[in-house]
Amino acid sequence: GQQLNQSPQSMFIQEGEDVSMNCTSSSIFNTWLWYKQEPGEGPVLLIALYKAGELTSNGRLTAQFGITRKDSFLNISASIPSDVGIYFCAAGANSKLTFGKGITLSVRP
Amino acid sequence: DAGVTQSPTHLIKTRGQQVTLRCSPKSGHDTVSWYQQALGQGPQFIFQYYEEEERQRGNFPDRFSGHQFPNYSSELNVNALLLGDSALYLCASSLGVDTGELFFGEGSRLTVL
Repeated sequence: GQQLNQSPQSMFIQEGEDVSMNCTSSSIFNTWLWYKQEPGEGPVLLIALYKAGELTSNGRLTAQFGITRKDSFLNISASIPSDVGIYFCAAGANSKLTFGKGITLSVRP
Repeated sequence: DAGVTQSPTHLIKTRGQQVTLRCSPKSGHDTVSWYQQALGQGPQFIFQYYEEEERQRGNFPDRFSGHQFPNYSSELNVNALLLGDSALYLCASSLGVDTGELFFGEGSRLTVL
């Protein structure tokens, strides 16, 4: 089946640092999304991308939809403690999304 | 404006039993999707309901069934529970079937013993 690859499984950064994470697939997708999940909660949508090459920002977050439509990246600038959580990439044409396994981000004060 | 609400939050069942999980979508949303999230994994799509019908289905056996009511709320039923069904079951709502911009509930944590 379709899979989205996210690695590494965990990332540890210092408060104030920038961090970048990417997501790749062997399949082409028409929509890429990034969600964040915190303990005891469901995923929350951060950014949605609809066009190959598109670069979209949401505050300190920036995401890009790869030109090949097989990848996307998310960048968080000037990290703060509340950025801690699991970041999932997701892709699909509608609400039938395929999710990656997620990257757990830890931010050291 | 109420978000997506799910019940129960936690439950424990034994193998072979049946379970029903419930979901109320975000106000104004008409589409409900269900996802299964195993520990340490990303959510996996089970199925989507719109206009009281199952519109799309993921790779899950027929033991997994659902229903959507006229008020857009939804139920997920799992029969003949297996140990491997232990997971967090997430309900997500959206406006229409063609968007991946989903609003998730906090989930129902099912443990099968």
